[in-house]
Amino acid sequence: AQSVTQPDARVTVSEGASLQLRCKYSYSATPYLFWYVQYPRQGLQLLLKYYSGDPVVQGVNSFEAEFSKSNSSFHLQKASVHWSDSAVYFCALSMGGNMGYKLTFGTGTSLLVDP
Amino acid sequence: NAGVIQTPRHKVTGKGQEATLWCEPISGHSAVFWYRQTIVQGLEFLTYFRNQAPIDDSGMPKERFSAQMPNQSHSTLKIQSTQPQDSAVYLCASSLTGGSYEQYFGPGTRLTVL
Repeated sequence: AQSVTQPDARVTVSEGASLQLRCKYSYSATPYLFWYVQYPRQGLQLLLKYYSGDPVVQGVNSFEAEFSKSNSSFHLQKASVHWSDSAVYFCALSMGGNMGYKLTFGTGTSLLVDP
Repeated sequence: NAGVIQTPRHKVTGKGQEATLWCEPISGHSAVFWYRQTIVQGLEFLTYFRNQAPIDDSGMPKERFSAQMPNQSHSTLKIQSTQPQDSAVYLCASSLTGGSYEQYFGPGTRLTVL
């Protein structure tokens, strides 16, 4: 069965610092990978996605993520965070094709940016 | 584009009552997904429709929960005889099919069962 692990429940960084949020997946093939962000009392907003090709993908608001097949990882990064980036971030995978398109989510990482 | 619309945003029911949650997908999207979010269980897949047909309901509780998509413009999730453990945020998402897999989420319906 597929799974997603986000090992850090909470991360605190100072405004202007760089950020990495970790995500590891378990699936026998290469899945479709996503990062979503959730602000308080809102739904999930898509930050970026990886399907194939260049392992570094760019997303909205200067976020990027790097896929590593050897490490089964899809870490989210940002060079310089802003206080408005404080939110909960979810990594998710979809198997696609005949295995279906439902998303399997990690437990989320709550990011607090100190102003 | 209005995005995915979910109504109501908040619903409070008494134990044993019925709750119906509504979702209007993004126009032109042919797939609709339902998820449930709780502090304890996190985000869980419930069910999925494509072109109004049920495709995968592997996450739906076997009793009391049902979902329908009577037309391309809305889907409903019905919970009969609600229990306190049904309290959660229910999220609806829609997506294009035919090669595009990202799902776009609505704001959710917060269900509280007293």
